[in-house]
Amino acid sequence: EDQVTQSPEALRLQEGESSSLNCSYTVSGLRGLFWYRQDPGKGPEFLFTLYSAGEEKEKERLKATLTKKESFLHITAPKPEDSATYLCAVGDSNYQLIWGAGTKLIIKP
Amino acid sequence: NAGVTQTPKFQVLKTGQSMTLQCAQDMNHNSMYWYRQDPGMGLRLIYYSASEGTTDKGEVPNGYNVSRLNKREFSLRLESAAPSQTSVYFCASSSTETANYGYTFGSGTRLTVV
Repeated sequence: EDQVTQSPEALRLQEGESSSLNCSYTVSGLRGLFWYRQDPGKGPEFLFTLYSAGEEKEKERLKATLTKKESFLHITAPKPEDSATYLCAVGDSNYQLIWGAGTKLIIKP
Repeated sequence: NAGVTQTPKFQVLKTGQSMTLQCAQDMNHNSMYWYRQDPGMGLRLIYYSASEGTTDKGEVPNGYNVSRLNKREFSLRLESAAPSQTSVYFCASSSTETANYGYTFGSGTRLTVV
């Protein structure tokens, strides 16, 4: 069964304290791995798409990496405005997205 | 601003009542989707429309119907609301079925069924 698991469920960091979020997946016929950011009361906002193991993408303080079984979202020197829930999704062989439950990130000033 | 517009933002229904959630996008996207989001769970696909004139069931279609009115608009109907349908509903659109360019989401409809 296709599945996406994100860990941890929640992560509290001090401003400037770097860390990583994990997204592990099992899917037949990966059609991309997607990272989204969701702020309270809003819809998810697209961040990155990764397609093959070894691929990396960066945006400001965020860097996403991909292996054959998992993806990491690295956050370098985070600021309070990086606080949000980060969602991971994988595209399956039918081009449907399978979503993880998300990691709630809280950055304290 | 270009994007996906959902209405209403909030709704309270009594069990057995019906309602339609509206969604419109102005990005000329072919594909549109309806998801529900519940605490501790990932987004679950209710229905999707790969192109104007087509609709398909997703993971959790029971109790819902959809209409792709035209390329811009995709509505979700609850014919007889149940407390299990209490959730936050999101509409999304994408330029291709493969979502190569990412989905664009609306701001959601928070529905409570009492």
